[in-house]
Amino acid sequence: QLQLQESGPGLVRPSETLSLTCNVSGGTISSNDHYWGWIRQPPGKGLEWIATIYYIGSTFYNPSLQSRLTISADTSKNQFSLRPSSVTEADTAVYYCARDSTGMAANTWFDPWGPGILVTVSS
Amino acid sequence: QSVLTQPPSVSAAPGQKVTISCSGSSSNIGKNYVSWYQQFPGRAPKVLIYNDNERPSRIPDRFSGSKSGTSATLGITGLQSGDEADYYCLTWDVSLSVYVFGTGTKVSVL
Repeated sequence: QLQLQESGPGLVRPSETLSLTCNVSGGTISSNDHYWGWIRQPPGKGLEWIATIYYIGSTFYNPSLQSRLTISADTSKNQFSLRPSSVTEADTAVYYCARDSTGMAANTWFDPWGPGILVTVSS
Repeated sequence: QSVLTQPPSVSAAPGQKVTISCSGSSSNIGKNYVSWYQQFPGRAPKVLIYNDNERPSRIPDRFSGSKSGTSATLGITGLQSGDEADYYCLTWDVSLSVYVFGTGTKVSVL
């Protein structure tokens, strides 16, 4: 059974770079059929897609966040990562990693999801 | 502000049916498939419906999806207390080049 697990700091200071990792078990991120994504949810608010990556390096970013984002994949560790830079309090959220089932934007869905990690940006 | 609009809340008695609408436009729902997610407080979302109306095998047939034009609908029949959760729609917006989630709907069982 495919499982995803996020890891990273619970607290970061404004202007710093956040480093989040999603470890994948029960399957490989080197699958030809799937992509891998990050979604976040500020406390008490809705969901926002952040970025998606294919294991060979193709990347897709939310245009509103793209200038501050780097998403990468490490096939040797079967994990993928997200690094938002210059964070502000507005980046405080639960960050989820999830499998993008097809990578074809017109007909994809996210399943399964990791349990999420709360990241607070505060001085 | 999401480009996909959902009612903030819907409610019904146990055993009844609720429907949740997701209203978009020709640049998102009108062109691409919709998926639906259920989220309990403090938990990660789980997919209920994908490709407008298909259900993962683990999802009971009380949950259904449909789409017409630029709107999609999630239906829940035989409402149970365990269905109390937040529900979100998701699709791709070709104009914004972004996956967009709906504003979310809280389902309450009276």
